[in-house]
Amino acid sequence: DADVTQTPRNRITKTGKRIMLECSQTKGHDRMYWYRQDPGLGLRLIYYSFDVKDINKGEISDGYSVSRQAQAKFSLSLESAIPNQTALYFCATSDSDRENYGYTFGSGTRLTVV
Amino acid sequence: DQQVKQNSPSLSVQEGRISILNCDYTNSMFDYFLWYKKYPAEGPTFLISISSIKDKNEDGRFTVFLNKSAKHLSLHIVPSQPGDSAVYFCAANYGGSQGNLIFGKGTKLSVKP
Repeated sequence: DADVTQTPRNRITKTGKRIMLECSQTKGHDRMYWYRQDPGLGLRLIYYSFDVKDINKGEISDGYSVSRQAQAKFSLSLESAIPNQTALYFCATSDSDRENYGYTFGSGTRLTVV
Repeated sequence: DQQVKQNSPSLSVQEGRISILNCDYTNSMFDYFLWYKKYPAEGPTFLISISSIKDKNEDGRFTVFLNKSAKHLSLHIVPSQPGDSAVYFCAANYGGSQGNLIFGKGTKLSVKP
């Protein structure tokens, strides 16, 4: 089983619909992140969480919300999807232990908003 | 304002030759740098890192060089193999921050047989 699992892998949704992307991890990491990747723009941070009670906005949080249901679960919601939210979304985890620093990414969710 | 810049969107190299991927940064507070590799339909995977107290770190065919005065780092792959064809992201972080990595836009490396 993958260390960081994202569901669904692919999703097509209509403009205005609410959609949730889910992420779960077995790494035991305390920190979790949501990024989106767009061609030519690299990885941009949407939201991050350093523990269950800690939620922080990233670079591009408008139009998104998150929920950290447990240490191992971090979900991303698009309250009312719009076409420019079509992108590849990645969940990542990291350990606050600096010696082992580095993110572990999931395989991504390809979201298309039509 | 981009703090981590990868100015070459793509690079093509012949198999067996050296691949050099470059990354520039603007924030002098960055003290830890990483390279990630991404294949299509997969998430990025950690490749190699370097602390600002070093100027070189080597791991097999991969070497990262850091020039703090120039705020520049580079990833060398020797020899390049077709399986190295992927998008490479440079990332940076500074101690004492909330720990978020700042990523560059990536460079797509193609290694031709």
